[in-house]
Amino acid sequence: QQQVKQSPQSLIVQKGGISIINCAYENTAFDYFPWYQQFPGKGPALLIAIRPDVSEKKEGRFTISFNKSAKQFSLHIMDSQPGDSATYFCAASLTGRRALTFGSGTRLQVQP
Amino acid sequence: DTGVSQNPRHKITKRGQNVTFRCDPISEHNRLYWYRQTLGQGPEFLTYFQNEAQLEKSRLLSDRFSAERPKGSFSTLEIQRTEQGDSAMYLCASSLDGTGGVNGYTFGSGTRLTVV
Repeated sequence: QQQVKQSPQSLIVQKGGISIINCAYENTAFDYFPWYQQFPGKGPALLIAIRPDVSEKKEGRFTISFNKSAKQFSLHIMDSQPGDSATYFCAASLTGRRALTFGSGTRLQVQP
Repeated sequence: DTGVSQNPRHKITKRGQNVTFRCDPISEHNRLYWYRQTLGQGPEFLTYFQNEAQLEKSRLLSDRFSAERPKGSFSTLEIQRTEQGDSAMYLCASSLDGTGGVNGYTFGSGTRLTVV
């Protein structure tokens, strides 16, 4: 079954701290792993994405770490800011398919 | 604004009524997707179009749901005989994909449907 399991469900981090969100997947045919950020009343927005041929990708304060053997990937937000407070979704897609399978989301709250 | 536009933003309907939502994608994007998101959950794939062709439909898309994308531009999603379980946010997204697979989507802000 195509599933992506995300944890934690919610996360509270102090300003300047590191936020870490984890996802695990079952289907080894997944070949694209994006992270989306969603603010209340808005649609998800692509944050960063990775393919399984690399173990890490960094864009600004956001880093994806990918562990192919463990079938896990994670999002690290360095120097977390109150403006980062949002819901974050991991997702995955299969080769040749256009549909994304999303995790259940992590509600991040960064306290000032 | 060159983003993905969805109308209406909110829709309240009585159970059993039909509703139709509209999505206007980014003009140069050839792919258009519909997702459904319930409270506290991630979006779930419903269907996608490449230009005007509907290429994939999820099992979630029951026979009460129909989507069209005439002329490969805007798209409509119709729900017939609405049920309370249809209450959700309906998200539209578009992308411009080459031959290399899935690129990032651009989502609209969604249409929130409440069935009473």
